[in-house]
Amino acid sequence: EAQVTQNPRYLITVTGKKLTVTCSQNMNHEYMSWYRQDPGLGLRQIYYSMNVEVTDKGDVPEGYKVSRKEKRNFPLILESPSPNQTSLYFCASSLTNLDTQYFGPGTRLTVL
Amino acid sequence: KQEVTQIPAALSVPEGENLVLNCSFTDSAIYNLQWFRQDPGKGLTSLLLIQSSQREQTSGRLNASLDKSSGRSTLYIAASQPGDSATYLCAVKSPSGTYKYIFGTGTRLKVLA
Repeated sequence: EAQVTQNPRYLITVTGKKLTVTCSQNMNHEYMSWYRQDPGLGLRQIYYSMNVEVTDKGDVPEGYKVSRKEKRNFPLILESPSPNQTSLYFCASSLTNLDTQYFGPGTRLTVL
Repeated sequence: KQEVTQIPAALSVPEGENLVLNCSFTDSAIYNLQWFRQDPGKGLTSLLLIQSSQREQTSGRLNASLDKSSGRSTLYIAASQPGDSATYLCAVKSPSGTYKYIFGTGTRLKVLA
């Protein structure tokens, strides 16, 4: 089944404890992206990748890192999480720059 | 800087009504516009994608139009059903060279049986 998977789906952590949220797609998509969704603010793009080893900042990249070493994986790294990074995170991918995005199921992160 | 607005934020309609959801954007230089559906606690499902050169797209009871010059898109839902209840989001993509998307905050639709 063609899909975008994220792990974990739910995570509660404490301030400053490094964490990684994984994202994987099995559709051989070139483009991948991370978003966060907050009440009243909608989805905001954190980082995106247009190919292996090619990443760039979205609108809200502060406090996040990404890497794209393989086409299928695009992990989101929070080196030192803070409470303002408590949010619902989505990974998405598309085959080309013109195609629709396919979204993962989301990761709900709480930073205490 | 591109801004995307969706009005109203919430809408309740009786089953069977035809309805229109609105999406406005401030910069007409877009590459494409997508409409998504989001069910509570779930991810986003793509409904329709309109390229900048197109005026509309249709899928079943859904029709989306795009007027770049006025910075507007509408999503028309015919003969609404309770199963259409969800949040509807629009997203615009910046011109070629990037993979940047700007989302609206959504319209929460409730269709009453």
